[in-house]
Amino acid sequence: GAGVSQTPSNKVTEKGKYVELRCDPISGHTALYWYRQSLGQGPEFLIYFQGTGAADDSGLPNDRFFAVRPEGSVSTLKIQRTERGDSAVYLCASSLKALGSGETQYFGPGTRLLVL
Amino acid sequence: AQTVTQSQPEMSVQEAETVTLSCTYDTSESDYYLFWYKQPPSRQMILVIRQEAYKQQNATENRFSVNFQKAAKSFSLKISDSQLGDAAMYFCAYRRWQGGSEKLVFGKGTKLTVNP
Repeated sequence: GAGVSQTPSNKVTEKGKYVELRCDPISGHTALYWYRQSLGQGPEFLIYFQGTGAADDSGLPNDRFFAVRPEGSVSTLKIQRTERGDSAVYLCASSLKALGSGETQYFGPGTRLLVL
Repeated sequence: AQTVTQSQPEMSVQEAETVTLSCTYDTSESDYYLFWYKQPPSRQMILVIRQEAYKQQNATENRFSVNFQKAAKSFSLKISDSQLGDAAMYFCAYRRWQGGSEKLVFGKGTKLTVNP
């Protein structure tokens, strides 16, 4: 597609449930990033993929969060046993390559997650 | 640790006037990249302008320009001839490259209102 797409646009779930958030990067972009944006804050880094592998997952808050990118394109962010504090907008971004090149990251519209 | 500070939570400007949004950052790196992103209510982060630290010339993109002061670690955004469509949250971001990982570190944002 022309840009980064994310599904669903909005997700409402109950505390303790499992959720999956999907990101479709721009075709040909090898680097993919997940960020979390809480209300009134700037986005915060969660995880970075170069190809299929997670090159840096240091931003994941705990082991309830996990992300995959099995074929080096689409990525899924998975949250187990959701908590109310997980409520936020989850943003995905992709870039042509990373590796210190300073390539621009292009963002999707985000998924707004609300945990009741 | 790299940090990005946007000291103006909110700014307003009259249509057709000029406004400057402030950003300071902290880093020990000598080569890096800085970005301004715009986030309208649709949530999509849109790149406004980018600056490579090794370039002395300030970046410009049509009505948008930056004042990059490397020694002062300052990176302000100037919007000329403001338009109603410029109303949005504006985020300053620093590209952090460390140990094979690339991520953006964002400020908390400035909400820009454009008055007709």
